[in-house]
Amino acid sequence: DTAVSQTPKYLVTQMGNDKSIKCEQNLGHDTMYWYKQDSKKFLKIMFSYNNKELIINETVPNRFSPKSPDKAHLNLHINSLELGDSAVYFCASSAWDTSWELFFGEGSRLTVL
Amino acid sequence: AQSVTQPDIHITVSEGASLELRCNYSYGATPYLFWYVQSPGQGLQLLLKYFSGDTLVQGIKGFEAEFKRSQSSFNLRKPSVHWSDAAEYFCAVGDGNFGNEKLTFGTGTRLTIIP
Repeated sequence: DTAVSQTPKYLVTQMGNDKSIKCEQNLGHDTMYWYKQDSKKFLKIMFSYNNKELIINETVPNRFSPKSPDKAHLNLHINSLELGDSAVYFCASSAWDTSWELFFGEGSRLTVL
Repeated sequence: AQSVTQPDIHITVSEGASLELRCNYSYGATPYLFWYVQSPGQGLQLLLKYFSGDTLVQGIKGFEAEFKRSQSSFNLRKPSVHWSDAAEYFCAVGDGNFGNEKLTFGTGTRLTIIP
């Protein structure tokens, strides 16, 4: 039973399209995150949500819009995709009292052509 | 702003040999430090963490790391590597206040194990 699951695992699309990545965690955690890993494996936080409330927004373009319908889900919607958006996007979660211990999903590899 | 440097992009070690992966950080206060491992096609998994106290911390899978404030380092070690240790290793520093925690990762070190 996967703790943090993301769908889809692979996504190939054309420039200008809109796409979404979904994330669900069954760990009962209060905080969820989106991280972006570029082609050089560099990982950078994009957003964090605590109990459906946006906490961290790290200067990400407005084309990226996270949505948290409940504390177990955090989706990422991307409008007008650009070549530079190609990356692996990781969802993660953590408990409120061990907030530094992130549990990551397997990642969603987005390729923009 | 905090930052993490992992000087070695790629390290190759023979199975059974010892391992040390280097990590240097830049942070104004006492850092919270972490090592994560990413196996191929997988998400990251926490290996160990340092918050305070004993500067030698033990983690999962036989790994340990030592915090050296004077050198701003948090190097990861393992006495004898196994083929299954082949992966990407990320050092990270934690920042932020309660409820606003953020991890800043290094660029990773890829570990290859040879027979």
